[in-house]
Amino acid sequence: EVQLVESGGGLILPGGSLRLSCAASGFSVSAYSMTWVRQTPGKGLEWVSLIYSADNTFYADSVKGRFTISRDNSKNTLYLQMNSLRAEDTAVYYCARVLEVFVVPARWFDPWGQGTLVTVSS
Amino acid sequence: DIQLTQSPSFLSASVGDRVTITCRASQGITSYLAWYQQKPGKGPKLLIYAASTLRSGVPSRFSGSGSGTEFTLTISSLQPEDFAIYYCQQLNTYPWTFGQGTRVEIK
Repeated sequence: EVQLVESGGGLILPGGSLRLSCAASGFSVSAYSMTWVRQTPGKGLEWVSLIYSADNTFYADSVKGRFTISRDNSKNTLYLQMNSLRAEDTAVYYCARVLEVFVVPARWFDPWGQGTLVTVSS
Repeated sequence: DIQLTQSPSFLSASVGDRVTITCRASQGITSYLAWYQQKPGKGPKLLIYAASTLRSGVPSRFSGSGSGTEFTLTISSLQPEDFAIYYCQQLNTYPWTFGQGTRVEIK
């Protein structure tokens, strides 16, 4: 079964750092592009970061320079290193696999994990 | 950034009803449009990609249509398990963006 399980969330002080993990099963993270999305009651779903299968990376402007996406192929795990955290980074963070076809063309996220909650507060 | 506006934001419907949700993009996104369903405490689940292609395993009562800037998600006969929040997403242009969601509740 193709599955993603996030971990690493928690309560962190403003200015602090946290690393989220996303363990994959049923497929290899090295063979796919992978992404992080966050969700808050106020702003809804917000795309955060993307790592292509060729390892080039993209970030939302709101996290650029503070967050780093990476993966460990030997552990089949995706990561999101979050530094200089702010109150507005408080959210549930989801990882997802990115699928793409070129004939149509189209991209989509499938599957998503169950999410991990990050709370930035003093 | 490309803005996606879903309408309505909330709808109340009965089992068996036909339901249509609209997603309008602030600029053209060709067919780079996906629809997701989310239930409380869970991550979103893919329903439709490429605007109109049903994900394998998703019931055929779900359908999608549209291209360019206007898209629709239709549930032909609402079932009890369909009460959830539905989101559209564009993956044509960075940053990839989502609609604000449509909550479908039981009348």
